[in-house]
Amino acid sequence: QVTLRESGPALVKPTQTLTLTCTFSGFSLSTSGMCVSWIRQPPGKALEWLALIDWDDDKYYSTSLKTRLTISKDTSKNQVVLTMTNMDPVDTATYYCARIQWGSGWLDYWGQGTLVTVSS
Amino acid sequence: EIVMTQSPATLSVSPGERATLSCRASQSVSSNLAWYQQKPGQAPRLLIYGASTRATGIPARFSGSGSGTEFTLTISSLQSEDFAVYYCQQYNNWPPTWTFGQGTKVEIK
Repeated sequence: QVTLRESGPALVKPTQTLTLTCTFSGFSLSTSGMCVSWIRQPPGKALEWLALIDWDDDKYYSTSLKTRLTISKDTSKNQVVLTMTNMDPVDTATYYCARIQWGSGWLDYWGQGTLVTVSS
Repeated sequence: EIVMTQSPATLSVSPGERATLSCRASQSVSSNLAWYQQKPGQAPRLLIYGASTRATGIPARFSGSGSGTEFTLTISSLQSEDFAVYYCQQYNNWPPTWTFGQGTKVEIK
């Protein structure tokens, strides 16, 4: 059974760095073909793909947010971490992590999401 | 960036009726398109991938069609649990620069 769960601060101040952790089970990021992605959704708005890391530690980022994002993994802990620098109120959103299998492109399992509010 | 446009923004349908949702890509994405269902307060759930393949456990009343730039999600006979927001997503590129549509809300008429 594949599960993912996001964790991190509910509130960050403008200019601060956000660090989110995705803890998963039911698969391993040391298995060839496995990937984890981050996606966000501002309140009442559409989904936005942010970043992906694969089993081989290759990393990919949204073009528009590339300079602010870092994705990493800890295979032994079954965790993926996303950091986003210089947070702004427009970054207020629910942040999701999801599993993808290499070459597929569709997100087959999602976490429940964590709401992050950026406010002073 | 490939822009995905969904229509209509809101669709009012009576239970038991058919719902037809559209998704258009700004350039061809072949059959590299997925559909997701999202209920309030919940994560999206994968319904369809490859434009027409139902994901595991998805009822047969959900069907997808299309290729290139025009795609359709059809719900043949709406059940109460189907009232939700539906998003399309293109995954035509690897490395990924994937994009989602703005969503179509299916509401009870």
